[in-house]
Amino acid sequence: AQSVTQLDSQVPVFEEAPVELRCNYSSSVSVYLFWYVQYPNQGLQLLLKYLSGSTLVKGINGFEAEFNKSQTSFHLRKPSVHISDTAEYFCAVSVSRSNTGKLIFGQGTTLQVKP
Amino acid sequence: GAGVSQSPSNKVTEKGKDVELRCDPISGHTALYWYRQSLGQGLEFLIYFQGNSAPDKSGLPSDRFSAERTGGSVSTLTIQRTQQEDSAVYLCASSLEGESTEAFFGQGTRLTVV
Repeated sequence: AQSVTQLDSQVPVFEEAPVELRCNYSSSVSVYLFWYVQYPNQGLQLLLKYLSGSTLVKGINGFEAEFNKSQTSFHLRKPSVHISDTAEYFCAVSVSRSNTGKLIFGQGTTLQVKP
Repeated sequence: GAGVSQSPSNKVTEKGKDVELRCDPISGHTALYWYRQSLGQGLEFLIYFQGNSAPDKSGLPSDRFSAERTGGSVSTLTIQRTQQEDSAVYLCASSLEGESTEAFFGQGTRLTVV
């Protein structure tokens, strides 16, 4: 079975500072990896995804993530955060390339950007 | 429509009553998913519809939960004899068929069982 662990439930950071949100996964088969963001009272929005190819993936809003197969990690990074990045972030895996909506999610990390 | 639409946005029901939650996917999207988001369990997959194939019901937590998708478009998630532990936000998502497609999520229905 697959599982996703987000190592930090909350990450407080000051505006314009860099941030890393950590994600580790467990799977005996190939996985496809995603980061979603959820703003208050809204649905989930896809930030970025890794399906194959380059292990460094760039997404929307200046976010990027690196797939590390040996460490089974897919950490999300941003070099300089903004107040508007305050939200909950979810790491997720799919085991099907053709069914990338059937996802196993981590518990989420709340990013709190302070002025 | 512009995005995935869910109704109602909020629903309060008494324990033991049945509820129906509705999802209108993005036009042309053949795949439709239901998820549940609760404080204790996080985001859980419930059920998946793809075209005319039999739905993947592997995530439904009990036989009180069921879902239909009529005409390959609108879907209804039904919870019978609601319990307090059913209180959660129910999210619907849809996507195009094929590889590397993105799932688009609705804003959810917040269900409170009192």
